Amino acid sequence: GEDVEQSLFLSVREGDSSVINCTYTDSSSTYLYWYKQEPGAGLQLLTYIFSNMDMKQDQRLTVLLNKKDKHLSLRIADTQTGDSAIYFCAESIKGGATNKLIFGTGTLLAVQP
Amino acid sequence: EAQVTQNPRYLITVTGKKLTVTCSQNMNHEYMSWYRQDPGLGLRQIYYSMNVEVTDKGDVPEGYKVSRKEKRNFPLILESPSPNQTSLYFCASAPKGDYEQYFGPGTRLTVT
Repeated sequence: GEDVEQSLFLSVREGDSSVINCTYTDSSSTYLYWYKQEPGAGLQLLTYIFSNMDMKQDQRLTVLLNKKDKHLSLRIADTQTGDSAIYFCAESIKGGATNKLIFGTGTLLAVQP
Repeated sequence: EAQVTQNPRYLITVTGKKLTVTCSQNMNHEYMSWYRQDPGLGLRQIYYSMNVEVTDKGDVPEGYKVSRKEKRNFPLILESPSPNQTSLYFCASAPKGDYEQYFGPGTRLTVT
């Protein structure tokens, strides 16, 4: 079945690195995404990784993909208070007429000053 | 500016009073979708549309209706709202179903 799981909460100190983890079940995913939701706002795409890649780095963000274990992680270096938000991972499901994204439950990242 | 708009942003209503939440996108996207967000449950898909006149149920369609008469609009209809439909609703669009989705700002609905 289609299922994407994340831990619900992560607390870090400002300046530390944050690592948000995600596991998914569908091995046919083509893209995996990380979205950020700030308080009172909609979701915005942070970054994505193609399923044939192991790692993608974009400034302070590093995405690691372990396709064998169906595990995706987002590392935020030098975490700032402005990074406090809910982070959602999502996998693309490609299945004929039902191509869609499946979202995880979201991880609330709290950055302590 | 490329965007997804939703209206209203906030709505308080009473049980049984029909309401419509509008969603519009200006990116000529084929795919549109409605989600609800509840604490601890993440985003759950209500309905989606692969193209004009093509709609299908998501994971939690009960109590909702949609229509897709034009490519840009995808309204969400609650014929007889109930308190368990109190939630934060998001509309999203994408070029295709498995591509990056663009989200609207959300509609916070309270049903008393």
